[in-house]
Amino acid sequence: GAGVSQSPSNKVTEKGKDVELRCDPISGHTALYWYRQSLGQGLEFLIYFQGNSAPDKSGLPSDRFSAERTGGSVSTLTIQRTQQEDSAVYLCASSLLSGNTEAFFGQGTRLTVV
Amino acid sequence: DQQVKQNSPSLSVQEGRISILNCDYTNSMFDYFLWYKKYPAEGPTFLISISSIKDKNEDGRFTVFLNKSAKHLSLHIVPSQPGDSAVYFCAASEAGSARQLTFGSGTQLTVLP
Repeated sequence: GAGVSQSPSNKVTEKGKDVELRCDPISGHTALYWYRQSLGQGLEFLIYFQGNSAPDKSGLPSDRFSAERTGGSVSTLTIQRTQQEDSAVYLCASSLLSGNTEAFFGQGTRLTVV
Repeated sequence: DQQVKQNSPSLSVQEGRISILNCDYTNSMFDYFLWYKKYPAEGPTFLISISSIKDKNEDGRFTVFLNKSAKHLSLHIVPSQPGDSAVYFCAASEAGSARQLTFGSGTQLTVLP
């Protein structure tokens, strides 16, 4: 597609359930990021995939969070046993790997844990 | 420890005047800086960037200034327009770090008509 696509756009889940958030990056972009923005906060880095290298998972807040990127394209962020503090907008971005370049963001998935 | 700081959570300016958004960073290894704009219910969109080899980059109404010695950058918007009202995020990346972007907390700009 022309831009980064995320699904679903909104997700309401019960506390304790697992959720999967999907990101389709821009075709040809080898770098993929996941960020989240909690209410009134800035963008918090979660995980970064760079080509075929091992992902940088240093931003994942707990072991309930995991992400994978299959075939170097689509990525899925999984949150297990969701908690209310997981409520946030989860943003995915992709970029070309080489050189100084900007990242392009999707519209985000608004996750609400009730 | 925040490596990229935007100390002003909000800023209001009159239409036609200059908007100046500020950003400070602590990591001296950052060598590429970006500004993003975010409207409600949308993802951030890239606005303008600057490499550390420059101290100014201009694109239409938007100019970014970089002061490496002070570890400070600013975004100037002139003249400001009501459509510029959004949250502005400063971001930085470090050479050799696979270009992971570190974002500030954002500044809500409101341009009053």
